[in-house]
Amino acid sequence: DAGITQSPRHKVTETGTPVTLRCHQTENHRYMYWYRQDPGHGLRLIHYSYGVKDTDKGEVSDGYSVSRSKTEDFLLTLESATSSQTSVYFCAIGLGTDTQYFGPGTRLTVL
Amino acid sequence: GQQLNQSPQSMFIQEGEDVSMNCTSSSIFNTWLWYKQDPGEGPVLLIALYKAGELTSNGRLTAQFGITRKDSFLNISASIPSDVGIYFCAGRNRDDKIIFGKGTRLHILP
Repeated sequence: DAGITQSPRHKVTETGTPVTLRCHQTENHRYMYWYRQDPGHGLRLIHYSYGVKDTDKGEVSDGYSVSRSKTEDFLLTLESATSSQTSVYFCAIGLGTDTQYFGPGTRLTVL
Repeated sequence: GQQLNQSPQSMFIQEGEDVSMNCTSSSIFNTWLWYKQDPGEGPVLLIALYKAGELTSNGRLTAQFGITRKDSFLNISASIPSDVGIYFCAGRNRDDKIIFGKGTRLHILP
């Protein structure tokens, strides 16, 4: 497995609270991605990064922000969590744009 | 936006049978990827295909990059219980974006 960790692995929070998920890699890969996975929708891209401080939106970016101040860390923030953001969140990394390696996931429940 | 149509959505097979699943699109892709996801874990890359017509194997798994660049196939031979899981195809398009299919859930009957 690629050296990718996600923290926390599980979180329960209340509607309206901010939440930050962390993705950490030890592979020195340039590209990092955040996805959410929901039944019936597969994997949907939230945001991605193509370098330190270089980020862009994916298809479901509303309500999420990201930051990448170091190569190894990519943070996903839910500014004000809503129940519709209950999901499993996956981080992925890639040396180039042609393959991605996934982390173990974070299960987030918003009550 | 671009979509990948992955089929079948689910399969029920007997242990020892061969499995075939595919991914199609109306658009051209430059790379095809196949992943497997076990419950509670992240998808794991099985096979990557980079050239039209390419046929690549990984143990009992074989995948092909379609000649038209609009499809890809994954075959699993002589299935075993640990093959159970969700298989995802993904394609890299001309904009260098990776698009995922919705997955094929494989069940193996005892």
